[in-house]
Amino acid sequence: AQSVTQLDSQVPVFEEAPVELRCNYSSSVSVYLFWYVQYPNQGLQLLLKYLSGSTLVKGINGFEAEFNKSQTSFHLRKPSVHISDTAEYFCAVSPNYGGSQGNLIFGKGTKLSVKP
Amino acid sequence: SAVISQKPSRDICQRGTSLTIQCQVDSQVTMMFWYRQQPGQSLTLIATANQGSEATYESGFVIDKFPISRPNLTFSTLTVSNMSPEDSSIYLCSVEGRWNTIYFGEGSWLTVV
Repeated sequence: AQSVTQLDSQVPVFEEAPVELRCNYSSSVSVYLFWYVQYPNQGLQLLLKYLSGSTLVKGINGFEAEFNKSQTSFHLRKPSVHISDTAEYFCAVSPNYGGSQGNLIFGKGTKLSVKP
Repeated sequence: SAVISQKPSRDICQRGTSLTIQCQVDSQVTMMFWYRQQPGQSLTLIATANQGSEATYESGFVIDKFPISRPNLTFSTLTVSNMSPEDSSIYLCSVEGRWNTIYFGEGSWLTVV
């Protein structure tokens, strides 16, 4: 079975500051890794994903994440945040069985609050 | 990318009633998924719906409570039966698009009173 831990439930940060949202996972098999963002009163939008290859993954809106297999982590980073980045961010994994990736296991989410 | 439309977007329902949520995709997809997001919680997969076969439910979810239909490759419904306040959640439809990317609908925000 897989599980995902997002270590921070809330992260307040000032505009233009860097931010890191932490995500650790547990799995007995290899996994695919995802970050989703949920803006207020909206659905989920995919930020980025790691399937294979380079461990540094770049996504939309200037976000990037690094897969660290030894530490079972997939932390999300942005060097300079904007007010518009205020949202809830979800880390998710799916087991790498070679089939559909639809069975996602989500973390509990991190609410990023960007202040002026 | 896939465009997913869900109806209703929001609803307030009386306990003991049932509500059917519709999910329409703008392209044909093999697998559709239904998730639940309870207040302050993360998302949990309810079931996987393949066209032409019965849905596969995750542990803790049963067909009598959450019957699912999948009549074609672009449409699915999820019914929340005999609702109680504990069923107040956001219900999200998702599909797998190209390159193993999972797309989500806007969600159906359900409040049971």
